[in-house]
Amino acid sequence: QVQLQESGPGLVKPSGTLSLTCAVSGDSIIRNNWWSWVRQSPGKGLEWLGEIYHTGHTNYNPSLMGRVTISVDTSKNQFTLTLTSVTAADSAVYYCAKDGPDDNYFMDVWGKGTTVTVSS
Amino acid sequence: EIVLTQSPGTLSLSPGERATLSCRASQTVNLAWYQHKPGQAPRLLIFGASSRATGIPDRFSVSGSGTDFILTISRVEPEDSAVYYCQQYSSAPYTFGQGTKLEIK
Repeated sequence: QVQLQESGPGLVKPSGTLSLTCAVSGDSIIRNNWWSWVRQSPGKGLEWLGEIYHTGHTNYNPSLMGRVTISVDTSKNQFTLTLTSVTAADSAVYYCAKDGPDDNYFMDVWGKGTTVTVSS
Repeated sequence: EIVLTQSPGTLSLSPGERATLSCRASQTVNLAWYQHKPGQAPRLLIFGASSRATGIPDRFSVSGSGTDFILTISRVEPEDSAVYYCQQYSSAPYTFGQGTKLEIK
């Protein structure tokens, strides 16, 4: 069974860059599904940030105004979220997730989430 | 961007009662539902017309199609206390509703 684990700094300075990695275990990242990042800001709902296929193809949420990049390293079975020019509004719990098979873009496996705080 | 509107915002029920949660979309969508408990990852409940995810009890069901959907929990249990989100996966950016908080008395 596929398992996901997020890792990365819990504290990022304003105007800095947030970088999180999602390690995939239990199966290969080279599957017929996409891999997503979702976040939840304090007191708010869930926000989809973007997704990547193992070939490197990506889709991003336009609300992030071009600040987001998702990359994949198939040799390490992991994918990475990079968010630039962060502000306090980017403080959130960040989740990585596996999308459903065959271009079904619901998320059927989630990591436990990692909290990122943007503060000086 | 497709907007999802969930209602009610909060639902307070006693064990054994029936829960009815609504999700309305701004256009025709494919929809999934998630259960989210504090400190835990969201858990996929149902996707598509009415497909339950692995391990989800049949107390959870979905009705509706197009733009209006209902998640029903036939007999709520204390463990069902959570926030429930709908998500459309028809068109990127994939969006979530604002959530319905289910409280068990």
